[in-house]
Amino acid sequence: GAGVSQSPSNKVTEKGKDVELRCDPISGHTALYWYRQSLGQGLEFLIYFQGNSAPDKSGLPSDRFSAERTGGSVSTLTIQRTQQEDSAVYLCASRLTGTRGGELFFGEGSRLTVL
Amino acid sequence: EDQVTQSPEALRLQEGESSSLNCSYTVSGLRGLFWYRQDPGKGPEFLFTLYSAGEEKEKERLKATLTKKESFLHITAPKPEDSATYLCAVQAGYAGGTSYGKLTFGQGTILTVHP
Repeated sequence: GAGVSQSPSNKVTEKGKDVELRCDPISGHTALYWYRQSLGQGLEFLIYFQGNSAPDKSGLPSDRFSAERTGGSVSTLTIQRTQQEDSAVYLCASRLTGTRGGELFFGEGSRLTVL
Repeated sequence: EDQVTQSPEALRLQEGESSSLNCSYTVSGLRGLFWYRQDPGKGPEFLFTLYSAGEEKEKERLKATLTKKESFLHITAPKPEDSATYLCAVQAGYAGGTSYGKLTFGQGTILTVHP
C-alpha cells in the first residue's frame, strides 16, 4: 500500500483479555517500530525491528508485551492479560533502509481501551 | 539515557504572530534530531531532520535550527492550519547492538493558532 496500515483502528477489550495489533509497513521498508502514546503524552518506544537483526525490545514495559515480524514485513504486537494502564494509542512506523534514520512513516495508530 | 524536553507544553498564538518552540536534549552522541507534526487522531508526520550544530532547515512558515544542546522550531506568521502538536525526537549516534535506529521523543508542544 501507499502508507503504513494498522488494524484494528479501535479496540475495546475487558481487563485480562489478550489483544493483537497488526502493522503492515510500506513495501520495501526494512525497519519497523512500535511506539505507544497515552492521552496527552509523547511517544514511548516499545520495540524496533531492522531486517534480520535481533529486535531491540528494550522499551517493552512488561513480559505481557511481545511482538513479532514475519517475513520481514507484517508485524503483530500482542498484549496478554491486558490491564487498564495498557489503554493508549499504539503507533507503528517504518523506515527505508539506507536512510540516516529519521524519516519514519507512521500509521494512524490502533486505539486500545481496556475496561 | 537519552532525554528530550520540549517547551512550552502549549502555545496559543494569533494568526500572524511569530514565535518559537524549544527542544532541549541530552544524548550519547547525536546522530540526528527530528521534528514531527501530529494532528489529532493521526500519526506523526515528518517535518525535518537536523544532523549537526549550526544546521538549519526551512519549509513554508517553519524553520528548524540546531545547537549542541537544543533545537528551535520557528514559526513565522502562522496560520490556523498550523495548529497541531509538534514533536521533537533524537537518535543517538552509538551503533551498539540493535539500538541504532531508536528515536526518543519529547512530550510535544500543542500549538493553537487563532484566526
